[in-house]
Amino acid sequence: DIQMTQSPASLSASLGETVTIECLASEDIYSNLAWYQQKPGKSPQLLIYDASSLQDGVPSRFSGSESGTQYSLEINSLQSEDAATYFCQQHHDYPYTFGAGTKLELK
Amino acid sequence: QVKLLQSGAELVKPGASVKLSCKTSGFTFSTSYMSWLKQVPGPSIEWIGWIYAGDGGTNYNQKFKGKATLTVDKSSSTAYMDLSSLTSEDAAVYFCARGPTRFAYWGQGTLVTVSS
Repeated sequence: DIQMTQSPASLSASLGETVTIECLASEDIYSNLAWYQQKPGKSPQLLIYDASSLQDGVPSRFSGSESGTQYSLEINSLQSEDAATYFCQQHHDYPYTFGAGTKLELK
Repeated sequence: QVKLLQSGAELVKPGASVKLSCKTSGFTFSTSYMSWLKQVPGPSIEWIGWIYAGDGGTNYNQKFKGKATLTVDKSSSTAYMDLSSLTSEDAAVYFCARGPTRFAYWGQGTLVTVSS
């Protein structure tokens, strides 16, 4: 199975700051990567697909990028509603696998 | 708009089975893929598998073969997942989602508790 190593496990940031969350794939996944946001008691929401494409309706302060097997989610100008847990997911090969999640707290 | 409405929370005894449902609307179910995912506190997510409503074709995570069985009822645009021989390791929130690869639409989740 492809392992998705996500970091950090948690982070705390202030309103207006920029944060970056990373996922390292154990092998090449050819940009077949999605990012999700999940708030407590809710279903995950798709933010980014194909590593860097913004899902419809998602604010442009969210962006995705890649470098080799390292994938990043950047959130600019943090808003209070961005407090959540973020997951990456690869869908290049079966079984699809997720990162362990990053919990973002706002100071 | 797309809606996925999952059945309510289940309390099941060890060794028993349970059938979860996911009633959909707002899209053409008969030509859609429906996936199921498992989330345990941690809060890790596992992909269980998908089913193509058109012909009932399935693809399972090897880990869940023998544990989960995916079916659909096209007449009611509903997807189902049977979970068998439940143990404490099956206690989780289970989600249905539309799509075979990435998931833009999710159900609200069904909590399965396994306890005698």
